[in-house]
Amino acid sequence: DTEVTQTPKHLVMGMTNKKSLKCEQHMGHRAMYWYKQKAKKPPELMFVYSYEKLSINESVPSRFSPECPNSSLLNLHLHALQPEDSALYLCASSQAYGTSGGYEQYFGPGTRLTVT
Amino acid sequence: GIQVEQSPPDLILQEGANSTLRCNFSDSVNNLQWFHQNPWGQLINLFYIPSGTKQNGRLSATTVATERYSLLYISSSQTTDSGVYFCAVAGNYGQNFVFGPGTRLSVLP
Repeated sequence: DTEVTQTPKHLVMGMTNKKSLKCEQHMGHRAMYWYKQKAKKPPELMFVYSYEKLSINESVPSRFSPECPNSSLLNLHLHALQPEDSALYLCASSQAYGTSGGYEQYFGPGTRLTVT
Repeated sequence: GIQVEQSPPDLILQEGANSTLRCNFSDSVNNLQWFHQNPWGQLINLFYIPSGTKQNGRLSATTVATERYSLLYISSSQTTDSGVYFCAVAGNYGQNFVFGPGTRLSVLP
């Protein structure tokens, strides 16, 4: 099974709200990722977790707060977002993350976020 | 960081036609993937192909790593092939996955 699941599928939130996005995989992968995709643009990497530790933060504003409670779960906590944060948020996982080789990434269906 | 280019940016085909999409990258890679993004936003893995040639039904891909390009071939296109095709790579000296700008394919009935 090469499935990554994400909830919710759609989310509308105000600029003062706090919400969370959830991602889950049961492939035994030890690396998980958050990407942001604006309309008509390619996905852009936000965060990488390797063995439940944050490995990469691509200078993402602190209003986005990732969390990896265990090897199967990845959350993205949202607080005080701006309208320009409206986008498709994609989660991915791979067998590992590191400099020893490239690992195939598998993507979830995404959460379409609208900030009003 | 590594740069990724894709061509053509847009492609319109009649159903049944064949097409070739190209991905150029600026440095050595240890991961190259082709994805199809459907209208609902789902990124579907087509190929993991840092080098060599693979085929899956009507689709095939070739990566010539020494010349830093990859090609995706779509034969006998169908309307369900419509969407955006992305090439994404991770360089040998940096693991972050970089996407190309995509090729937007429309297959007309």
